[in-house]
Amino acid sequence: AQSVTQLGSHVSVSEGALVLLRCNYSSSVPPYLFWYVQYPNQGLQLLLKYTTGATLVKGINGFEAEFKKSETSFHLTKPSAHMSDAAEYFCAANNDMRFGAGTRLTVKP
Amino acid sequence: EAQVTQNPRYLITVTGKKLTVTCSQNMNHEYMSWYRQDPGLGLRQIYYSMNVEVTDKGDVPEGYKVSRKEKRNFPLILESPSPNQTSLYFCASSSRPAEVYGYTFGSGTRLTVV
Repeated sequence: AQSVTQLGSHVSVSEGALVLLRCNYSSSVPPYLFWYVQYPNQGLQLLLKYTTGATLVKGINGFEAEFKKSETSFHLTKPSAHMSDAAEYFCAANNDMRFGAGTRLTVKP
Repeated sequence: EAQVTQNPRYLITVTGKKLTVTCSQNMNHEYMSWYRQDPGLGLRQIYYSMNVEVTDKGDVPEGYKVSRKEKRNFPLILESPSPNQTSLYFCASSSRPAEVYGYTFGSGTRLTVV
């Protein structure tokens, strides 16, 4: 079965700095990959997804992720963090939606 | 508005008292699923359903039951809740194939079993 590993349970950045949240998957077959965001006291909402085709995927709120088969990675980035990006982020793989443990992003003023 | 609705949002109950958490979606989705979220463990799937009258166990099904009598509803039943079922629960739905469409999640149910 697929497994997903998110490196770093907590990431803190300054407002305006680069956001990098790491996700690695384990599979010999490239999976479908997703990033979800969870704001406080809310459910998860889909940020972006990779199925096939272009390996650089753009999502909502200025986020993007790049699928790298050679590194089995799907890291999430945003060039400039905003205070409103503070949330928990989850990486997920494939149709059975195995989720990573989550990364809490804090944005400092 | 397209949404997944869970009720209640918060629930405190006592050990052994049967409870049901309801989940309803208005998007005509075939696929529905229940997850629990615990600190440091992410989301773990409890049960899922690929269509009416079709349900299957996820990774952590012990102590839970589900039913799918109608396409829109997928209730989660705890016959005899225990404190280790204290958690945040999410219902999710998707058009099939879920791997293409991704999930729409409900707002969550925070359950405390004392």
